Amino acid sequence: DQQVKQNSPSLSVQEGRISILNCDYTNSMFDYFLWYKKYPAEGPTFLISISSIKDKNEDGRFTVFLNKSAKHLSLHIVPSQPGDSAVYFCAASEDGNKLVFGAGTILRVKS
Amino acid sequence: NAGVMQNPRHLVRRRGQEARLRCSPMKGHSHVYWYRQLPEEGLKFMVYLQKENIIDESGMPKERFSAEFPKEGPSILRIQQVVRGDSAAYFCASSPINARVGTEAFFGQGTRLTVV
Repeated sequence: DQQVKQNSPSLSVQEGRISILNCDYTNSMFDYFLWYKKYPAEGPTFLISISSIKDKNEDGRFTVFLNKSAKHLSLHIVPSQPGDSAVYFCAASEDGNKLVFGAGTILRVKS
Repeated sequence: NAGVMQNPRHLVRRRGQEARLRCSPMKGHSHVYWYRQLPEEGLKFMVYLQKENIIDESGMPKERFSAEFPKEGPSILRIQQVVRGDSAAYFCASSPINARVGTEAFFGQGTRLTVV
């Protein structure tokens, strides 16, 4: 039972353009959402998060949008850079202790 | 200030052997989480420990898997009688007391277990 779904296994974007990564969830008890970035042979690195009481959070080139009614969140990266090429995981939490991860989206930024 | 240290980075075990994975949390961190990533999948929560206590083990398989975080020393994830399906990357994360998971949890580089 996948509570967090990332339906796009991969995404390819031109350098300088916007990257949009999507994530859907089914558990309405989730109250905190996060995006992680992961390079091969490394552990996930926290990128940005959003509480369920907000609908947008911005940090530099990264913005996360949350649509609670649709149970959908997205990560926007503007402008995309080659160094952004990595696997991006969406994650959610309802108890503040454990995270439920999506399967990840491979982002390739072409220069 | 060293990050979360996991060792070994790579571990090869024959079916039926035991695997021991170690995690040293960041200095000052007293909470440890273990996650497993199977091929082509996201990370899946296994267990959450504080010093000498298992807080949440809802993600741990019922048999062969155990975890501890002693008063002194690293956290250990132990897999007895390994099978091929245990082959995965095992990640440890640590956070300070009362931290919000995720934003203040730092992941190690993982241990890649291969069962042959």
